This record gives sequence, structure tokens and C-alpha cells, in this order.
Amino acid sequence: NAGVTQTPKFRVLKTGQSMTLLCAQDMNHEYMYWYRQDPGMGLRLIHYSVGEGTTAKGEVPDGYNVSRLKKQNFLLGLESAAPSQTSVYFCASSQGQIPSNEQFFGPGTRLTVL
Amino acid sequence: ELKVEQNPLFLSMQEGKNYTIYCNYSTTSDRLYWYRQDPGKSLESLFVLLSNGAVKQEGRLMASLDTKARLSTLHITAAVHDLSATYFCAVPPRGNYQLIWGAGTKLIIKP
Repeated sequence: NAGVTQTPKFRVLKTGQSMTLLCAQDMNHEYMYWYRQDPGMGLRLIHYSVGEGTTAKGEVPDGYNVSRLKKQNFLLGLESAAPSQTSVYFCASSQGQIPSNEQFFGPGTRLTVL
Repeated sequence: ELKVEQNPLFLSMQEGKNYTIYCNYSTTSDRLYWYRQDPGKSLESLFVLLSNGAVKQEGRLMASLDTKARLSTLHITAAVHDLSATYFCAVPPRGNYQLIWGAGTKLIIKP
């Protein structure tokens, strides 16, 4: 099993450009999450999904959109990138069942917006 | 609003010493997670604590949860260099599947 994979691993954008980050999981997990990690701030939830075809906003959703057309994939889009979106982006997935609901993380995407 | 605070945020210690990292949270929750992150890497799950009084141990690391005090501890026994990493705790508000994360404790263990 590959677990959670993310593409691309690195990306440099110019302000105003758009891009999509892809997350895929092969664990048949119901829940998927997108986080951003900035120095000294831990992880902040951008958007999440509790099942195929559903998405919801997290703590910092502005400037991002997501889609979950297939259970195994969760896409994060930046329509018009800004320097404030320079960050490391992590995707995670979980079974979604209480009590554990342990989250498993992908390797991350390092995004720089110039 | 649930807030999660870790302390210390940075810890430099000698091999062979013991130390404890603390994780406090501000509202009711019945679960807590500890993760490890090596520089430039992803997050790896260490412990899932599911009830008040839960204690879990893996090698030189031991984690505990006191839901009444809203406190978890991660204790390091006889530290070794390989334990150098950043450690995060994360807490879901009661009945919620989202996680609120602490800022992380960067641990450096010197030979």
C-alpha cells in the first residue's frame, strides 16, 4: 500500500497563477483533509471531506477550493495564488470512525508563490 | 474555541536525560493525538489516547492523558539522538473529527 500520496512535491508559482494539488489514498478512508503548515504555527485545516462528493471549510479556507469526485482523491485548488499562500501543504486521511479516527499524512507539497 | 498549547516550544537536552513535554487544551475533549515530524518530512502518528487516564508507551516515549485537567504529557526517558524531531499534539473538540493542533515542540538531543 502506498498510503497517502501527494503530487507535486514542489512547485513555484507567480502571483496570480493557478494550480491544483492532488492527494490520493489507497486505504479506503472516508475522511480526507488538507492542511497548511507554516513555521511556528503547527498545522491549520484548510478544507476537509467526510465522503465522496462532500466538502467543508476548515479554519483557513479563503483563497482555496477543493473537490472530492472520487473517494480516493481529494484535490486542492488555488485560483489566483498569493505570496501569503507560500507554505507546505499536507493531505491526510482517516477512517472517520470514532473513537480513534487517526489521521495518516502524505509527504507534503512545498509551494512557493513569488 | 478550542486552543491547544504546547510547552516548551523548543528543548535542547543531553543524551541520557529525562524530560517531559506538556500539551494543554482549553475545552472539553475525550481524545488526544501525538505526532512526530522530522525536518523536511511528513507527520508520523506516535500515540492515540482515547480516554481519561490513558497511558501508552513506545520505547523511550510515554504519553498520558488527563481529560479532567485537559492535559497530556509526553515523557522522554534516557533520551537518544534519534529522538530529535518536532513533536505535535492535536485535539478534536468533543464529538468532532477535526483536529486542532499545538504549535509543536522542537526537540534537539545532543550527544
